[in-house]
Amino acid sequence: DTAVSQTPKYLVTQMGNDKSIKCEQNLGHDTMYWYKQDSKKFLKIMFSYNNKELIINETVPNRFSPKSPDKAHLNLHINSLELGDSAVYFCASSQGGAGGPRTQYFGPGTRLTVL
Amino acid sequence: DAKTTQPTSMDCAEGRAANLPCNHSTISGNEYVYWYRQIHSQGPQYIIHGLKNNETNEMASLIITEDRKSSTLILPHATLRDTAVYYCIVLSGNNRKLIWGLGTSLAVNP
Repeated sequence: DTAVSQTPKYLVTQMGNDKSIKCEQNLGHDTMYWYKQDSKKFLKIMFSYNNKELIINETVPNRFSPKSPDKAHLNLHINSLELGDSAVYFCASSQGGAGGPRTQYFGPGTRLTVL
Repeated sequence: DAKTTQPTSMDCAEGRAANLPCNHSTISGNEYVYWYRQIHSQGPQYIIHGLKNNETNEMASLIITEDRKSSTLILPHATLRDTAVYYCIVLSGNNRKLIWGLGTSLAVNP
């Protein structure tokens, strides 16, 4: 059973196109995240949703728009793709009580290549 | 949240214990110490976390010093499959924003 899944695994597209990456978690978690890992291997958080509500929105171009139809899904739509958007995008989820530990579980990643 | 300092790289012989240190001298009382690893081209994988006490699970042990300013992740019998980048992160329970450094690149050699 895959806990956090992402589709597609690889995405190759031309500059200027619009694309979406989907994420689903079957862990029953209340919070989901999108991370970007660039060529230098830094992992940076982009967005986080808690029960379908946006709670973290880092300095990300507004070409990136997350959408959470329900708490098990968090999709990432990217408009007008640019060369610099090439990276690996990871989805994650977590669950935890107030003040308690909140372990994040990650998907396998989507490698986006913009040509 | 407190910052962490880890060595850039380490080597370990297969079958031996791998001890990965992490300094977090500015850790606050409510911050947990988390360890994750990322095997090449895969998503980060949770290993273990702790607050004050030492912790052990099926993957590793976490030793936290009494003053909580540093910790050590121990892989008791390293295998080739443990070759990965290991990240030490400190985070309070209410904060969901993991801040990732460059971690320690562990090479397990045959």
